[in-house]
Amino acid sequence: DTGVSQDPRHKITKRGQNVTFRCDPISEHNRLYWYRQTLGQGPEFLTYFQNEAQLEKSRLLSDRFSAERPKGSFSTLEIQRTEQGDSAMYLCASSQPRVPSTDTQYFGPGTRLTVL
Amino acid sequence: KQEVTQIPAALSVPEGENLVLNCSFTDSAIYNLQWFRQDPGKGLTSLLLIQSSQREQTSGRLNASLDKSSGRSTLYIAASQPGDSATYLCAVTTSGTYKYIFGTGTRLKVLA
Repeated sequence: DTGVSQDPRHKITKRGQNVTFRCDPISEHNRLYWYRQTLGQGPEFLTYFQNEAQLEKSRLLSDRFSAERPKGSFSTLEIQRTEQGDSAMYLCASSQPRVPSTDTQYFGPGTRLTVL
Repeated sequence: KQEVTQIPAALSVPEGENLVLNCSFTDSAIYNLQWFRQDPGKGLTSLLLIQSSQREQTSGRLNASLDKSSGRSTLYIAASQPGDSATYLCAVTTSGTYKYIFGTGTRLKVLA
């Protein structure tokens, strides 16, 4: 069990470029979550998957954002035509819930995106 | 709509003090409440999870309580140490969904 990993850890891009982030969850976890955290704020939910199915999306996830989990293992988050307001830490988490009350999400180290 | 608030936003204490961090939420229909620690520029580390049917959880010098009816939780840290310096976040999972709703955190600094 190596924990949740994210790649890259840092990304600097110019406004208008596309970026893609990857998340590898803990191997037996069937739920995978994406959150976004801006400076001085708590993380905000973006979307989550159960296996390969995307079950919930936040209104924060504009048309420029797309997330996939094609084989129910790793996930990618793509941002098209980046804007300066997209600058944030993007956090991935995974869980293997048995009952909702005991569901614990394990977080990765995050990908820090800076849009110039 | 669930909203989570944490008070204070920042706290600075001398080493050895006992301290209390507060978290409040507006919708009491929750599955659980979880406290996390976040070091600067890093991801989140889970500290304690309290199920909705529980009143408190303890781990080492940490004790978290939950009063679901009043929408409040506290995180008690005993005998604080400089290594406890971090941002502490609380998050709730509201019934019917599995996403976390986070507070804005309390930035703790423990002075040696």
